[in-house]
Amino acid sequence: DVVMTQTPLSLSVTPGQPASISCKSSQSLLHSDGKAYLYWYLQKPGQSPQLLIYEVSNRFSGVPDRFSGSGSGTDFTLKISRVEAEDVGVYYCMQSIKLPRTFGQGTKLEIK
Amino acid sequence: EVQLVESGGGLVQPGRSLRLSCAASGFTFSSYEMNWVRQAPGKGLEWLSYIGGSGTTTYYADSLKGRFTISRDNAKNSLYLQMNSLRAEDTAVYYCAREELDGLDYWGQGTLVIVSS
Repeated sequence: DVVMTQTPLSLSVTPGQPASISCKSSQSLLHSDGKAYLYWYLQKPGQSPQLLIYEVSNRFSGVPDRFSGSGSGTDFTLKISRVEAEDVGVYYCMQSIKLPRTFGQGTKLEIK
Repeated sequence: EVQLVESGGGLVQPGRSLRLSCAASGFTFSSYEMNWVRQAPGKGLEWLSYIGGSGTTTYYADSLKGRFTISRDNAKNSLYLQMNSLRAEDTAVYYCAREELDGLDYWGQGTLVIVSS
């Protein structure tokens, strides 16, 4: 299985400050079609996960532009340019280049 | 508006069976592949199973070892997960999720399954 490793596992951020989460995969997520199948989700407290970023860097419908994704191959990053209170929750990366789909352990974002 | 509503969870004894349902609305259900994902209490996300739009193609996590079966009824806009020989470690919130862009774009609110005697 493709192992997804996120760092850090938790972070505490002051509102208005940036935040960054790393996700590393045990195998390249680059497909022969040129796309990398890496996704980012946010699970707010008491809610189901919601898609933020698909295929590394594309924001899903309705996702604020303070969220951005980057990376290639096996190293990926989610950045929040200016954290807001509503951004609290657990962030997960997920790969879908191979079955089974696998998720990172999650990164818990808290507000200072 | 895309909506996915799971049901069928509850308390079940080890070794027994349970069938989860996911009612879909707001999109053409038969045109989309669907998945089940679970989350044990306080834990992360675990992908379980996939089914193609017509229902003929299915995939499962190896960890399920043939105990779970995914199916769908496109006429009823519904997705199912038949769970047999349930174990304590199957205790989790079970989510159905629509597949789009080769990822999971919309998720239901989840249904809690507790396996305990």
